[in-house]
Amino acid sequence: DAKTTQPPSMDCAEGRAANLPCNHSTISGNEYVYWYRQIHSQGPQYIIHGLKNNETNEMASLIITEDRKSSTLILPHATLRDTAVYYCIVSHAIYNQGGKLIFGQGTELSVKP
Amino acid sequence: DTGVSQDPRHKITKRGQNVTFRCDPISEHNRLYWYRQTLGQGPEFLTYFQNEAQLEKSRLLSDRFSAERPKGSFSTLEIQRTEQGDSAMYLCASSHRQNTDTQYFGPGTRLTVL
Repeated sequence: DAKTTQPPSMDCAEGRAANLPCNHSTISGNEYVYWYRQIHSQGPQYIIHGLKNNETNEMASLIITEDRKSSTLILPHATLRDTAVYYCIVSHAIYNQGGKLIFGQGTELSVKP
Repeated sequence: DTGVSQDPRHKITKRGQNVTFRCDPISEHNRLYWYRQTLGQGPEFLTYFQNEAQLEKSRLLSDRFSAERPKGSFSTLEIQRTEQGDSAMYLCASSHRQNTDTQYFGPGTRLTVL
């Protein structure tokens, strides 16, 4: 699985958009980009994933560059409850292959009032 | 609540004792995963099951660790002869066969070995 690089920490003002970058320059053609987050003392929570097109759901938007070497997770209106560690993971999403998620250090996002 | 549940949430034990954790996955999820997380680190994969079959084990899973999923539903993770280095959060996750990388995590069991 490709490795990812994320900044260790970021701050964001409440109500503003939080843009969390991730580099995955060694991603292969059949690997997806996944984002999970982990609020303090809880288990990780799935946010969103994508292959090459931009994706949006009720939680966030995922922007993947055309060369797929980097992506950005966007929380459009960050709230205090979005304070968490955000993990960018590159993985195969093929049944009977992959299975385990390889977590890095993630980005610790602090949303401030 | 139909999410992944884990029991107990906290366990304090003395070095050398055996401990067992239980995980109940989301129903109809045929894959179940165990991860371990130490302070300040991301979760590390330990092992996973597809139904009752244990398909992969990390080298982190020493001989003192054993996991089972006897009927393809709940799973147990046992640690024998615990060591202080085993102190960590043990996380369980489950996923559906059609989207194995979208994993749903439980709240974890925090183990403290004195």
